[in-house]
Amino acid sequence: EDKVVQSPLSLVVHEGDTVTLNCSYEVTNFRSLLWYKQEKKAPTFLFMLTSSGIEKKSGRLSSILDKKELFSILNITATQTGDSAVYLCAVGTGTASKLTFGTGTRLQVTL
Amino acid sequence: SAVISQKPSRDICQRGTSLTIQCQVDSQVTMMFWYRQQPGQSLTLIATANQGSEATYESGFVIDKFPISRPNLTFSTLTVSNMSPEDSSIYLCSVAQTGGETEAFFGQGTRLTVV
Repeated sequence: EDKVVQSPLSLVVHEGDTVTLNCSYEVTNFRSLLWYKQEKKAPTFLFMLTSSGIEKKSGRLSSILDKKELFSILNITATQTGDSAVYLCAVGTGTASKLTFGTGTRLQVTL
Repeated sequence: SAVISQKPSRDICQRGTSLTIQCQVDSQVTMMFWYRQQPGQSLTLIATANQGSEATYESGFVIDKFPISRPNLTFSTLTVSNMSPEDSSIYLCSVAQTGGETEAFFGQGTRLTVV
């Protein structure tokens, strides 16, 4: 059975801090790893990673994948209160574009 | 990227009744999926909606409880049948686009409360 595990489950930081969110996976027929931000209902796409060692960046967010060790990290620098959300890691497998989601990390950024 | 319209946005339903959720995409897509997110939990795939054939259900989900239609490449519905309070969840429609920068887009979600 495919498994995606995220840590920590929740995190409270002060505005301006840097955070690192972790995602490890055990799946068959890995295709891609995706990060989403969920504030209310709909997850919004952040990154898709398919190759090891290539960092993807978008503003203060960045992510990297290690396919040998089967994990990914999502970094957020200079956090802002607007970064408060649940961050979801998902792994795509096979050819059917199905995603297996982790439990998510709930991030709260305080003033 | 695809634009997905999902409705209703939220509903409160009586137990024993059924609710149909609609998902409309602004372009033709091959793959459409339905997910459930129970309170405090992550997303769980219910089924893959196949155009022109029966949906493919994941373990633990059955057609009698969650019938799905996919009449064309831009539209799908999910019905939650004979609802109980345990069905209270967020239901999300997702479409897959192979290639490009993202594999899966999500609709706005439907927050269902069963009383």
